[in-house]
Amino acid sequence: GALVYQYPRRTICKSGTSMRMECQAVGFQATSVAWYRQSPQKTFELIALSTVNSAIKYEQNFTQEKFPISHPNLSFSSMTVLNAYLEDRGLYLCGARGQNTGQLYFGEGSKLTVL
Amino acid sequence: GDQVEQSPSALSLHEGTGSALRCNFTTTMRAVQWFQQNSRGSLINLFYLASGTKENGRLKSTFNSKESYSTLHIRDAQLEDSGTYFCAAEETGYQNFYFGKGTSLTVIP
Repeated sequence: GALVYQYPRRTICKSGTSMRMECQAVGFQATSVAWYRQSPQKTFELIALSTVNSAIKYEQNFTQEKFPISHPNLSFSSMTVLNAYLEDRGLYLCGARGQNTGQLYFGEGSKLTVL
Repeated sequence: GDQVEQSPSALSLHEGTGSALRCNFTTTMRAVQWFQQNSRGSLINLFYLASGTKENGRLKSTFNSKESYSTLHIRDAQLEDSGTYFCAAEETGYQNFYFGKGTSLTVIP
């Protein structure tokens, strides 16, 4: 079946430093990957949608300069949170879907704590 | 703005009873997905619907694109059903899924 592995599960970093998280799709080809942040209040925000062979589309309030994303092949995507501050805290989740699959499959999330 | 309005925000059920969660959409959606988020934060897929109704055990979900809503019915609630439930809807013409704010379900013995 389709699975998505995401790592690291949690990171604690100092203000101003960066955190990179990775997402691996197993059992299907991830033609698109959506990155989300879930706030401590449990609200989900879509950060960006990455589709193979298309430009990465960032949502309002999120930029490539702050959250660079790489999607080099159909099984892997990564995102970095640059210069992390308190407002960047939360659970970051990648959701991947295949060309013939409508639904999103999520990784277990990467929890970011900023000190 | 909020494309997905989920209700109720919190729900308590006695074991063996049932209820429904609902998501209303402010734009046309082509599909909806329902998740349960467990205590570790993992999103467990419950249903994916492009239309109609699906049933799985004690859960049933309906998606009506024309009337812009989806529901998740839980019957015969069990303690392990406790958790936070989210709907996420895919906007027509885009590939983005937008989440509701979740329903925190507590099943009481």
